[in-house]
Amino acid sequence: GQSLEQPSEVTAVEGAIVQINCTYQTSGFYGLSWYQQHDGGAPTFLSYNALDGLEETGRFSSFLSRSDSYGYLLLQELQMKDSASYFCAVSDPRDDKIIFGKGTRLHILP
Amino acid sequence: NAGVTQTPKFQVLKTGQSMTLQCAQDMNHNSMYWYRQDPGMGLRLIYYSASEGTTDKGEVPNGYNVSRLNKREFSLRLESAAPSQTSVYFCASSEDSSGSYEQYFGPGTRLTVT
Repeated sequence: GQSLEQPSEVTAVEGAIVQINCTYQTSGFYGLSWYQQHDGGAPTFLSYNALDGLEETGRFSSFLSRSDSYGYLLLQELQMKDSASYFCAVSDPRDDKIIFGKGTRLHILP
Repeated sequence: NAGVTQTPKFQVLKTGQSMTLQCAQDMNHNSMYWYRQDPGMGLRLIYYSASEGTTDKGEVPNGYNVSRLNKREFSLRLESAAPSQTSVYFCASSEDSSGSYEQYFGPGTRLTVT
């Protein structure tokens, strides 16, 4: 089977840095994705890691360690508009489908 | 490009009624998906179609059926709605089902079953 664990909620201050962790258990593994979802909206893609290491896209970075079955999303210079839910997702080549975590609600304080 | 479109946006059904949720994409994607989202449960995969002509069950397929009508369209049918199917339904598409390509999501259908 497949399972993903991520914190249900994280709180940070505007302008700060926050890290959202994701651990996974899968029988097979293609890669780890991250999605953002604002209240009332649809999920939107942020990043994808297939190899170990850090991928940077503007203020957002994503990290993967395949040996540890662990990844994280790093958000820098937090802005109030970053208040949203963040989902990690894994793809398993054996199942040919993508499974999402339950999401982390990010609260940003002014 | 419209991306992924879903109809209807909102729907209220009585227990036992049936309905079909429609989804279409104009990005020439091979793979399409149906998810449901409930508070605190994240996105759960109902059914997916890795390519035109194929469909497979996801995590929570019971009570649903799907049809991949052509490469563009993927519909989700509730034959006899139950209150437990009250949820927000998202359709998504991607280049393929490997997960290495991003999924594009439609705006969602908010379904209430009374």
